[in-house]
Amino acid sequence: DAGVTQSPTHLIKTRGQQVTLRCSPISGHKSVSWYQQVLGQGPQFIFQYYEKEERGRGNFPDRFSARQFPNYSSELNVNALLLGDSALYLCASRGQGEAGELFFGEGSRLTVL
Amino acid sequence: AQSVTQPDIHITVSEGASLELRCNYSYGATPYLFWYVQSPGQGLQLLLKYFSGDTLVQGIKGFEAEFKRSQSSFNLRKPSVHWSDAAEYFCAVVPLNNAGNMLTFGGGTRLMVKP
Repeated sequence: DAGVTQSPTHLIKTRGQQVTLRCSPISGHKSVSWYQQVLGQGPQFIFQYYEKEERGRGNFPDRFSARQFPNYSSELNVNALLLGDSALYLCASRGQGEAGELFFGEGSRLTVL
Repeated sequence: AQSVTQPDIHITVSEGASLELRCNYSYGATPYLFWYVQSPGQGLQLLLKYFSGDTLVQGIKGFEAEFKRSQSSFNLRKPSVHWSDAAEYFCAVVPLNNAGNMLTFGGGTRLMVKP
């Protein structure tokens, strides 16, 4: 069975540009969340979506947005990129398991120059 | 403020030696507790979790963790470390009233294993 898949795996952008990251959850999982992991730090929660509705948002500026599609895949958008947005962006999906039992993708590494 | 602290940024152990990684949390009530592992270039994988009941929980790959309410700690242990255990380990919590995906992670402990 396929795990959580993310694309692209690596990308380089310049300051002020916009980026879209994509995530496909494990088949049957309806909940998707996004995390930002800056080098040398633990992941930080950005968004949670369930059944196409936003169920939670972390302490990130409005430049960050996301959405979930009818097939439960998700996109994370970041506008007006800053150098500090350089990070590994992780997507995680959750099925019917207990709270916090997340399955993570390998991430999209964004470098902002 | 709610927080998760992993006091050790780096730990080096010899292969076959025992391991203990420390985790302390600060929350109003006991949250759900987790340990995740991240190998180089990989996403995170759940090692084990504590929700309630027995305070010693077993996980995958021979890991275990003990919840101590009095110390607000959830330390990860392994009796004998293998070279393949070299990775970064993250302690995480979810508040009891949370929807379930909003994990708060500690800063991580990088484990290196000497042959």
